Amino acid sequence: GESVGLHLPTLSVQEGDNSIINCAYSNSASDYFIWYKQESGKGPQFIIDIRSNMDKRQGQRVTVLLNKTVKHLSLQIAATQPGDSAVYFCAETSNYGQNFVFGPGTRLSVLP
Amino acid sequence: GAGVSQSPRYKVAKRGQDVALRCDPISGHVSLFWYQQALGQGPEFLTYFQNEAQLDKSGLPSDRFFAERPEGSVSTLKIQRTQQEDSAVYLCASSQRRQGLWQPQHFGDGTRLSIL
Repeated sequence: GESVGLHLPTLSVQEGDNSIINCAYSNSASDYFIWYKQESGKGPQFIIDIRSNMDKRQGQRVTVLLNKTVKHLSLQIAATQPGDSAVYFCAETSNYGQNFVFGPGTRLSVLP
Repeated sequence: GAGVSQSPRYKVAKRGQDVALRCDPISGHVSLFWYQQALGQGPEFLTYFQNEAQLDKSGLPSDRFFAERPEGSVSTLKIQRTQQEDSAVYLCASSQRRQGLWQPQHFGDGTRLSIL
């Protein structure tokens, strides 16, 4: 879905299930991608990053997948916990660029 | 401190007043960014510094917005003659490059600006 003002797309998952959050990026020249988690009243917090010479990268309970052909990025969270509830943003840049462009965000809601 | 620090955390001003927002980046980070975040949206780029040089200010919405980083560390974002549409959270982030490659940006918790 698309984000319009306050109406962020929301993903609701049961505690313990896996979550997948998707992001379509815009610039085919982008070669560095970051996922951020933002809790209410706080700044975005770095989760994981990936460069364009990779298509998958794993962290602790998180995996990022990059499909350059269709300009798509996804964040997988394993065994989702209540503390994972937040808004998640993807960001893209080029190593030749000077700014980072953020996606509209997805709100993850973890149900008990 | 170890992270990016922003002050004040909250600022309320009357329309037409000038405001100044401060950012202390992570020590050693040469790159500093300012973003504006409206409620329910992602951060929007405002401006970028490399050390004291402002290399990109293409995101500043009007000439009422001015940013500086005179000694290459602390930065100030100033908004003159504030308007209600300036109400937003202003985020600062710092980063660096290693071997020419961008590293993750680290954000402060922002300044929530409300214009009455």
